[in-house]
Amino acid sequence: SQQGEEDPQALSIQEGENATMNCSYKTSINNLQWYRQNSGRGLVHLILIRSNEREKHSGRLRVTLDTSKKSSSLLITASRAADTASYFCATDEGSGNTGKLIFGQGTTLQVKP
Amino acid sequence: EAGVAQSPRYKIIEKRQSVAFWCNPISGHATLYWYQQILGQGPKLLIQFQNNGVVDDSQLPKDRFSAERLKGVDSTLKIQPAKLEDSAVYLCASSLTRSDTQYFGPGTRLTVL
Repeated sequence: SQQGEEDPQALSIQEGENATMNCSYKTSINNLQWYRQNSGRGLVHLILIRSNEREKHSGRLRVTLDTSKKSSSLLITASRAADTASYFCATDEGSGNTGKLIFGQGTTLQVKP
Repeated sequence: EAGVAQSPRYKIIEKRQSVAFWCNPISGHATLYWYQQILGQGPKLLIQFQNNGVVDDSQLPKDRFSAERLKGVDSTLKIQPAKLEDSAVYLCASSLTRSDTQYFGPGTRLTVL
């Protein structure tokens, strides 16, 4: 079963603008991860945020986690054409870090030059 | 450091035929995963190995899917017989331990006609 629901399903912006994607989940989690998938390529890990963390940064990426609302957001600042990809959130649920990731449906981001 | 290798990259078969996919994880990674990604959806975990033992195969359709990691290194996923709904990308991932970041291979795109 899929845990995460991502919103929006598709997003189109101009280069230089910020992009925000949201992820909601249903059960308690150990951590939440964001992945990027370019057309025809495998998934690339972007960032991991643990259940006791509220915000994390990595370069132009900012992730927030609200465990009370069971939601997370991924912000990409100053977007580039190369950021065009599908973005997935994945949750590691259950007791302990099992490595069993449950992925959302993904948000397709298009950044126009 | 070499990434996760998968072969073949593409496979087209008729329904009721059998097919096998191969994965070579990153050297030293104890945990290996197989995911199924249907077009427009996020990946779904099929099976998780820790060394050569199965940790989780709860979502593996065992009547037609099988997987092994005999020497605790590379792994094979087999489908026999294939159905139309098995058309998907099959992703292999590996991690140092279950609580570490998962690194994905490029995937095998299977088309069942």
